[in-house]
Amino acid sequence: GAVVSQHPSRVICKSGTSVKIECRSLDFQATTMFWYRQFPKKSLMLMATSNEGSKATYEQGVEKDKFLINHASLTLSTLTVTSAHPEDSSFYICSARDGSPGNEQFFGPGTRLTVL
Amino acid sequence: DAKTTQPTSMDCAEGRAANLPCNHSTISGNEYVYWYRQIHSQGPQYIIHGLKNNETNEMASLIITEDRKSSTLILPHATLRDTAVYYCIVRVAASGSRLTFGEGTQLTVNP
Repeated sequence: GAVVSQHPSRVICKSGTSVKIECRSLDFQATTMFWYRQFPKKSLMLMATSNEGSKATYEQGVEKDKFLINHASLTLSTLTVTSAHPEDSSFYICSARDGSPGNEQFFGPGTRLTVL
Repeated sequence: DAKTTQPTSMDCAEGRAANLPCNHSTISGNEYVYWYRQIHSQGPQYIIHGLKNNETNEMASLIITEDRKSSTLILPHATLRDTAVYYCIVRVAASGSRLTFGEGTQLTVNP
């Protein structure tokens, strides 16, 4: 299957700082990318959907000013957690798909964020 | 998207077939059944998907009942590396649709 990478795989930051997570589709053009968050022993929760060149669509309850998403190219999307707090500590996972009908989504390996 | 119901956990002996059930009684005619799995601290991995016919690939087989209200994912010869949370998801296979994850089934393969 197609490969999606994330960077960094793990990040520790101080409360109040901002953290940027990159998601790249390595061997296909991702017209749509998704960002998920997963707390320990919980399922994945969709945060937002972004289409290349458009503003992201956020799920209910997700603050768009806190979780900034940029999808400026067909192979790169970034999630910036602004003014991070300990409750933002989580496993952040991106996924990507191309525009062909019936195609499956491919997921990145995830980024473990710990806010001290 | 239709809601799915899966058992919380299952155990399987190494080398035996693992049969993971999923109920999706409210599935619509244009919704596909997708299966993903997530090994601990990794991103989900696509396994297989189908509409109404049974499907098989190198990873697994998907058996969908004739009324499409339930399905079974079969791992023919489970290994320890198949220990993971398995998610059954139904969704319309359109370019704009997204995957909504439920709680999944924790499959533990025992030696």
